[in-house]
Amino acid sequence: DTGVSQDPRHKITKRGQNVTFRCDPISEHNRLYWYRQTLGQGPEFLTYFQNEAQLEKSRLLSDRFSAERPKGSFSTLEIQRTEQGDSAMYLCASSLHSGRADEQYFGPGTRLTVT
Amino acid sequence: DAKTTQPPSMDCAEGRAANLPCNHSTISGNEYVYWYRQIHSQGPQYIIHGLKNNETNEMASLIITEDRKSSTLILPHATLRDTAVYYCIVRVGSGNTGKLIFGQGTTLQVKP
Repeated sequence: DTGVSQDPRHKITKRGQNVTFRCDPISEHNRLYWYRQTLGQGPEFLTYFQNEAQLEKSRLLSDRFSAERPKGSFSTLEIQRTEQGDSAMYLCASSLHSGRADEQYFGPGTRLTVT
Repeated sequence: DAKTTQPPSMDCAEGRAANLPCNHSTISGNEYVYWYRQIHSQGPQYIIHGLKNNETNEMASLIITEDRKSSTLILPHATLRDTAVYYCIVRVGSGNTGKLIFGQGTTLQVKP
């Protein structure tokens, strides 16, 4: 399968613990996005990378959240000191940005439950 | 990016065409119309996008009005597997972040 993959698919953690999610984009894609989706809502943008550079972060991304894309390939999203409000589906998407309209391809998501 | 307005829900009979409307009256000249769908518990799936001409691919057709203030996504022969939330999104095609701003979407229920 050459689509976007995410790991793990499900994560249950206790409040206060740190968690890290991984996203592997489609191999030639230079842009990588993270979104968060809570129940009954559409996905909300968190941050994006062009190659290894993190170019925008949403105000939703508090200082407990950090994302990296060290070699311009896979990305990780870490949440420190998790809170119950962090429970959500975390979605990763990638695209090939070439100066024209580009479509984003999403992974299956990581569902986080904070107890 | 311009805002969009979609009906919260629609029904369609299996085998019939599903026509999903979207209003984007404040769209700018360089903004594209994108459609994504999300089947329960999966990540969103890209369907189609267009600027001003009508577009067709293997999944759907996109009809954009001449004034570009509204569009319709057409699934020509809906199946039960097309039951999903459909999102209409307007964004600048090039430059900027390319981030997608999702609204509430339209929940399409395809019935046998």
